[in-house]
Amino acid sequence: GAGVSQSPSNKVTEKGKDVELRCDPISGHTALYWYRQSLGQGLEFLIYFQGNSAPDKSGLPSDRFSAERTGGSVSTLTIQRTQQEDSAVYLCASSLNGPGGWSGNEQFFGPGTRLTVL
Amino acid sequence: LAKTTQPISMDSYEGQEVNITCSHNNIATNDYITWYQQFPSQGPRFIIQGYKTKVTNEVASLFIPADRKSSTLSLPRVSLSDTAVYYCLVQTGANNLFFGTGTRLTVIP
Repeated sequence: GAGVSQSPSNKVTEKGKDVELRCDPISGHTALYWYRQSLGQGLEFLIYFQGNSAPDKSGLPSDRFSAERTGGSVSTLTIQRTQQEDSAVYLCASSLNGPGGWSGNEQFFGPGTRLTVL
Repeated sequence: LAKTTQPISMDSYEGQEVNITCSHNNIATNDYITWYQQFPSQGPRFIIQGYKTKVTNEVASLFIPADRKSSTLSLPRVSLSDTAVYYCLVQTGANNLFFGTGTRLTVIP
């Protein structure tokens, strides 16, 4: 079966522009996660969805960042008025169940979107 | 929020056993410990998960002491292809999953 896919794989934009990053999770996975990874750094958690709801959005770096998930499937991460410090790889992951509990919380990651803000 | 602390890097020769320890002093009762592996230009990949004592699968073993304030990922007989970054994740049903900076393992021929 298909894994998690993300598009675009690379995005170069100018400072001040808006960008949309897309994530297609594994079919049937109820939870979806967004992370950011700067060059040589660890993963910074941004937000997770259980179904179409995001229980906590406090990981989003600023109000320029927003995310939505529709139909319990595809998710879009939007960054408005991009800044150079937004340059990073944005990773999406999905899991069968949410992060708690004993089973089904293994996260499957996509290949990421490399965002470069000039 | 159970933050984690790991060594920044480790080197090992091929064929040796590698143990990577993660500290999570503030782990909560319902928290599970999960380890991921990440190769360059790829997303992380699940290795193993545990709650207490010892868990073993075909890839690794995970040792968790009784107080659960740390955990050790054990990779038997590493090969060059095990060169990667290894992340310890403490997760609950709550939010803000903290991966930390990970441990960069370099396997030397």
